[in-house]
Amino acid sequence: SQTIHQWPATLVQPVGSPLSLECTVEGTSNPNLYWYRQAAGRGLQLLFYSVGIGQISSEVPQNLSASRPQDRQFILSSKKLLLSDSGFYLCAWRTSQNTEAFFGQGTRLTVV
Amino acid sequence: AQSVTQLDSQVPVFEEAPVELRCNYSSSVSVYLFWYVQYPNQGLQLLLKYLSGSTLVKGINGFEAEFNKSQTSFHLRKPSVHISDTAEYFCAVSETGTYKYIFGTGTRLKVLA
Repeated sequence: SQTIHQWPATLVQPVGSPLSLECTVEGTSNPNLYWYRQAAGRGLQLLFYSVGIGQISSEVPQNLSASRPQDRQFILSSKKLLLSDSGFYLCAWRTSQNTEAFFGQGTRLTVV
Repeated sequence: AQSVTQLDSQVPVFEEAPVELRCNYSSSVSVYLFWYVQYPNQGLQLLLKYLSGSTLVKGINGFEAEFNKSQTSFHLRKPSVHISDTAEYFCAVSETGTYKYIFGTGTRLKVLA
């Protein structure tokens, strides 16, 4: 069966420090991959999605970037974190056999 | 562009009472519709989905939703809620043939004893 791993679960980082959040999917190939951010009172905001290795679509211009170095690996990065980058980051996936997205357990990022 | 509106940010309801969580969407093409539930500090779990066919969709945990094309709505209902239903509920839309899911701002359901 397919599973998704997202880590770390929580992270506290100082302003100006770099960020790397990793997400991997097991048990499937060529998934679509997504990064969402959840901020209080703002629902889920789609940040990036990827339909294949090296193919990244950015939905919102911001301080973050994403990469997909392998088929089932999706990385969210920042060179210098801002206070406004704080939030709950969720990775998700789907395949051509599904119509719905499946979510990881999320990473709570606090920038101090 | 597609969008989703969840009109109620919070809904308090007593245990064993019925509940309806409202969702309206905007899209110029046909869509798939979803309801997800999120428990504190966890990811999202799919409750139910509408793809086509019957407008009444049944999901897990006794929830159901009705697709109304003329009103562009997809309201979630449960005839009798439990304390364990306390969570945040998200409505989402995906235009058919696309890869993106657009979510509403969520409704926090609080079930009171």
